[in-house]
Amino acid sequence: NAGVTQTPKFQVLKTGQSMTLQCAQDMNHNSMYWYRQDPGMGLRLIYYSASEGTTDKGEVPNGYNVSRLNKREFSLRLESAAPSQTSVYFCASSPRAGRASVNGELFFGEGSRLTVL
Amino acid sequence: RKEVEQDPGPFNVPEGATVAFNCTYSNSASQSFFWYRQDCRKEPKLLMSVYSSGNEDGRFTAQLNRASQYISLLIRDSKLSDSATYLCVVNILTGGGNKLTFGTGTQLKVEL
Repeated sequence: NAGVTQTPKFQVLKTGQSMTLQCAQDMNHNSMYWYRQDPGMGLRLIYYSASEGTTDKGEVPNGYNVSRLNKREFSLRLESAAPSQTSVYFCASSPRAGRASVNGELFFGEGSRLTVL
Repeated sequence: RKEVEQDPGPFNVPEGATVAFNCTYSNSASQSFFWYRQDCRKEPKLLMSVYSSGNEDGRFTAQLNRASQYISLLIRDSKLSDSATYLCVVNILTGGGNKLTFGTGTQLKVEL
């Protein structure tokens, strides 16, 4: 079972370049999320999509845009990358609609390690 | 003050030991609580939910103290394979709805 698939797994960018992180889930989940994880900061929510056709900002949305292309896919775009966006990015999904899974169960992808020089 | 705080560790324990982690949360409106496990350079995975009455899953016991606003995870008979970072997660009610807030994690190293 694929679960949540993220691409690319690794990427190095120069300041000012743009890129899109792709995420797809095959579990027919309603909600999808993008988090970033930095040392000493814990996982922080960037954007989420409670259901197909909707997206909302999380805690740290500045510098990012998202697209919920269909129920399966949720992409994260950096329009002009900055060194502060160097991080590990995780996409996640949950079966319930809403900002957070009531039962707390998020299914994460393997992560995308982004370095901005 | 962070919304969810954990001792980062590392906790270095011998195989077979019992180890406990605590996590404190600041928002009394927190509704539900969870422990996730994250292996090195891997994604987090749900370990267990934390219920008000406390709950057990094999060697793992989770407890909640709402009055003191902390949750705990106890691991008995530690195995080498338990080595990981344990994330405390709190579901907090905000103006925008429920949101999951992650602690920074406690690192456990189980040694021979």
